[in-house]
Amino acid sequence: NSKVIQTPRYLVKGQGQKAKMRCIPEKGHPVVFWYQQNKNNEFKFLINFQNQEVLQQIDMTEKRFSAECPSNSPCSLEIQSSEAGDSALYLCASSLLGGAGQYFGPGTRLTVL
Amino acid sequence: QQKVQQSPESLSVPEGGMASFNCTSSDRNFQYFWWYRQHSGEGPKALMSIFSDGDKKEGRFTAHLNKASLHVSLHIRDSQPSDSALYFCAASETGFASALTFGSGTKVIVLP
Repeated sequence: NSKVIQTPRYLVKGQGQKAKMRCIPEKGHPVVFWYQQNKNNEFKFLINFQNQEVLQQIDMTEKRFSAECPSNSPCSLEIQSSEAGDSALYLCASSLLGGAGQYFGPGTRLTVL
Repeated sequence: QQKVQQSPESLSVPEGGMASFNCTSSDRNFQYFWWYRQHSGEGPKALMSIFSDGDKKEGRFTAHLNKASLHVSLHIRDSQPSDSALYFCAASETGFASALTFGSGTKVIVLP
């Protein structure tokens, strides 16, 4: 069973609407990642955090996507204005530092109509 | 061009048989490799990591890494119906909080 908790499991939005999803990392894991897995099962890294600080993010994330990992609150990923191409499974993963594997949650499946 | 190429796209193996699949990286910065398994409706789950040349065995799973050719493989012996899933290799430049680059996946079907 996943110890990384993601909510909601399913999200349906219209084009132009905001879409927000949340992630609670595994206890004690300081690093959180967000990935997008499309219908062809291709993964795209979006952003990662160490505690509350952004480590890396891709250009796409900077423009319409926003993410944060506040202390003592779930991490979140928000798409400001959803597009049909954003329909995908959004996966949150967490890890320890230093050569550790990433533990994935079950994902939030976003459908943009 | 994908930085991590995985093959085959799919394979069927009889129960009790051996399943094998491969990845090759085109990026020499990738030094750390993982294998993940994803069952339908779930997130990927790490099976094993391999960072050094040679073989690494964990139970029914054996991974092999050749750093000179950036080739990594996974072999599943005594395949079970529960092994039916998508398998992905993943690579990263460092082991420190580094984003993973995934292969395209291999769909494994274990036939009873």
